[in-house]
Amino acid sequence: GQQVMQIPQYQHVQEGEDFTTYCNSSTTLSNIQWYKQRPGGHPVFLIQLVKSGEVKKQKRLTFQFGEAKKNSSLHITATQTTDVGTYFCWIGNQFYFGTGTSLTVIP
Amino acid sequence: EAGVAQSPRYKIIEKRQSVAFWCNPISGHATLYWYQQILGQGPKLLIQFQNNGVVDDSQLPKDRFSAERLKGVDSTLKIQPAKLEDSAVYLCASGGPTLYGYTFGSGTRLTVV
Repeated sequence: GQQVMQIPQYQHVQEGEDFTTYCNSSTTLSNIQWYKQRPGGHPVFLIQLVKSGEVKKQKRLTFQFGEAKKNSSLHITATQTTDVGTYFCWIGNQFYFGTGTSLTVIP
Repeated sequence: EAGVAQSPRYKIIEKRQSVAFWCNPISGHATLYWYQQILGQGPKLLIQFQNNGVVDDSQLPKDRFSAERLKGVDSTLKIQPAKLEDSAVYLCASGGPTLYGYTFGSGTRLTVV
């Protein structure tokens, strides 16, 4: 079956530093979505990527879909305390969430 | 636009008891999912509905879990009998065009003691 690795599992950063999480698949993906889950909250949709090599930006967040459509990344520039939470990739082929990256921002 | 409604928010039951969760999706959303999220893990898909038909229930432990979506709107998820390992948050999500992703409800936190 399809396997999706999300790295790192945890990341602690100083406020103002950058942060990146990666989602890697063993097979080609039809599309990928990214969600954010605040502590004690529920997943909230951030973005969907469909095209090979696609790059989308939302303010300080940059999302990329790999050329081979097997990996994706989420990059946050100059983190803020409001960025705290767990970031999940979601695989469109099988409605499958990655293991998530938990981000802690130290003020 | 109203969000996805779930109830109850919290439930504590003893093992071997039964429990049911309810989900009211966003109006007009054809797709509905139930996910199980154990503390510290990512959500795990239990079942997917398209309107009132089941698309995928391969991960649903059918010996104890059941789900239905009557008339393609509300959905219920039932566990009978519950086990300790069923302690988790049960999330319902609904979606329209995939471009806009899926909207999750606040979930039901189940504790089995």
